[in-house]
Formats: sequence, C-alpha cells, structure tokens
Amino acid sequence: AQSVAQPEDQVNVAEGNPLTVKCTYSVSGNPYLFWYVQYPNRGLQFLLKYITGDNLVKGSYGFEAEFNKSQTSFHLKKPSALVSDSALYFCAVRDTPLTGANHLFFGTGTRLTVIP
Amino acid sequence: NAGVTQTPKFQVLKTGQSMTLQCAQDMNHEYMSWYRQDPGMGLRLIHYSVGAGITDQGEVPNGYNVSRSTTEDFPLRLLSAAPSQTSVYFCASSYSGSGAEETQYFGPGTRLLVL
Repeated sequence: AQSVAQPEDQVNVAEGNPLTVKCTYSVSGNPYLFWYVQYPNRGLQFLLKYITGDNLVKGSYGFEAEFNKSQTSFHLKKPSALVSDSALYFCAVRDTPLTGANHLFFGTGTRLTVIP
Repeated sequence: NAGVTQTPKFQVLKTGQSMTLQCAQDMNHEYMSWYRQDPGMGLRLIHYSVGAGITDQGEVPNGYNVSRSTTEDFPLRLLSAAPSQTSVYFCASSYSGSGAEETQYFGPGTRLLVL
C-alpha cells in the first residue's frame, strides 16, 4: 500500500535562508512523487514531480526536490526563502498504475512560515 | 481554459439535508476525482472516475455518491448530510491511461459546514 509521511507539521525559516520540507514515502513499485502548495483559502497548486531520471527535480517558484531511493525520501528545497513562500505544502505519491486510475496518496501537510 | 471549477464555494447544511457539489473541467481530462481535506489528515480520496460512465470508490466513500455522464462534469452528492462531513472538498482532474506521470489539477475547493 502507498503512504506518505511528512514528519514536520510546522517549519519556520528566516527570509533569505534555505528551506527544506521533508517527505518520505512507501510504495510497492516505482514511485511517482509530487509536491503541491496550498495558499490560504485556495486550492492546491502543482509545484513539481519526479517520475524518472535525474534525482534533482526543479519546479515552479524556484523550488526543487531531491529523490533519494535508498532513503525513500523526496524532500522539497529552496535556496533562499521568501515571505510569500509561506503556505501549506503537501507531498503526494502514487504507485505504478495498473488501470489508469491516477489518484494520489497525500501526506498530512507541512505549514511553512517564512519570517521577515 | 478555466481549468477545474467548483461550485459552490461555501455551503451550510443542516443534518439530513442533501446537496450536490459541482465540478467541471475544460481540459478534456479522462480522470477526475474528489478529495476531502481535514485538519491534520491531508487529503483523502472519496471517489474517482477514469472516464464517462465509469466511477469507483476511494478511501472514504461512505455517505457520498458520484456519477460521470460527460467527460467534463463530475458531481459529488451528499444524500443525507452528517456533521462528520464538514470539510473542504476538492475536485481534481488529469489525463489517464498509462499516464501515471500526469499531473493532477485541482479546483479551488468547496467549504462545507454541516450543523
């Protein structure tokens, strides 16, 4: 069964500092990994995904994520945090598809606060 | 493209009332799904559809019905609302088939309060 863990409910970082939001996963086959961001009273916006290939994936708004198969992790990173990055971040995973069903399994979310 | 649209944005119901949450997409996506978001629990899949006329249950389907008569629309029905269904509901869509890598796009959500 697929599952995702986001071990930190809350991450605080000073503006201009690097940020990391952690995610670990469990799947039976090859993982397909996603990061989404949710701003207050808004829907989820896609940030980036890992399907195959280079372990370092670059996405929207300067975010990137590193896939580590041995540690089953997919941490989200950004070299220099902005106050506008403050939001709720979700990691999601899906297993190798059998039927074309494309639903995702989400972590519980990490609230990122960037302090001016 | 409007993307994924949801109506209403906010709804208050009394226990036992019924209602339909609307979801539409204009991207010709085969796959559509409904999630609910609860504090500390992330998003959980309620129902999904891989094409018109095809639906299936997700992780938390009890108390909800769906149908998919067209590619564009995927309404979620609450037949008899309960306070436990107070949540934020998101509709999502993507291409399907072998495209596990396909990105899901989410609507803005419907905030439901059941009294």
